[in-house]
Amino acid sequence: QQQVKQSPQSLIVQKGGISIINCAYENTAFDYFPWYQQFPGKGPALLIAIRPDVSEKKEGRFTISFNKSAKQFSLHIMDSQPGDSATYFCAAGIQAAGNKLTFGGGTRVLVKP
Amino acid sequence: DAGVTQSPTHLIKTRGQQVTLRCSPKSGHDTVSWYQQALGQGPQFIFQYYEEEERQRGNFPDRFSGHQFPNYSSELNVNALLLGDSALYLCASSLVTGFTDTQYFGPGTRLTVL
Repeated sequence: QQQVKQSPQSLIVQKGGISIINCAYENTAFDYFPWYQQFPGKGPALLIAIRPDVSEKKEGRFTISFNKSAKQFSLHIMDSQPGDSATYFCAAGIQAAGNKLTFGGGTRVLVKP
Repeated sequence: DAGVTQSPTHLIKTRGQQVTLRCSPKSGHDTVSWYQQALGQGPQFIFQYYEEEERQRGNFPDRFSGHQFPNYSSELNVNALLLGDSALYLCASSLVTGFTDTQYFGPGTRLTVL
């Protein structure tokens, strides 16, 4: 199976709060897990990515947690800011197979000031 | 350094027509992937081009075809347009080197089929 399931569909968080988005996958061949941020009218922009040999990766306010046995990974946005209001997509790929990406359905995040 | 560029920005067609979308990859990138993003959904992989050949393809009918030129730019062609083809078409470029080939997306072409 190639499906990637993402939750929640939407999220409202106060400024300074933590946004948490979860994804689950089925295909154990996936070995590359990026997160993309998309603003209205724009293409997705890479935020952060992780490989399955690492359980956590942090870049600034963004952290990916990865649980290989559960086939789940999540994005944490710390100290959320109004400028973080966007749609976030998780994705999964197989690097030896050209790394075509299978995307989740997206999470619309609204950060209230 | 120019990122991924796509043209046109918007396009309106009627059912049954044919359309061609264009993509110029990020400087130095040699691989182009095309995705279709329906409103409110995640992008879906259409196909990928490397060395002017289609390297892999998603679950899209033969009405969707593509081409990659020697300068790595690419075209997506859709024949016999259906209403359901209305979507944002995204091009992503990458460089096949090392362990990862991170994909960088362009702004997309919004196609409306009436």
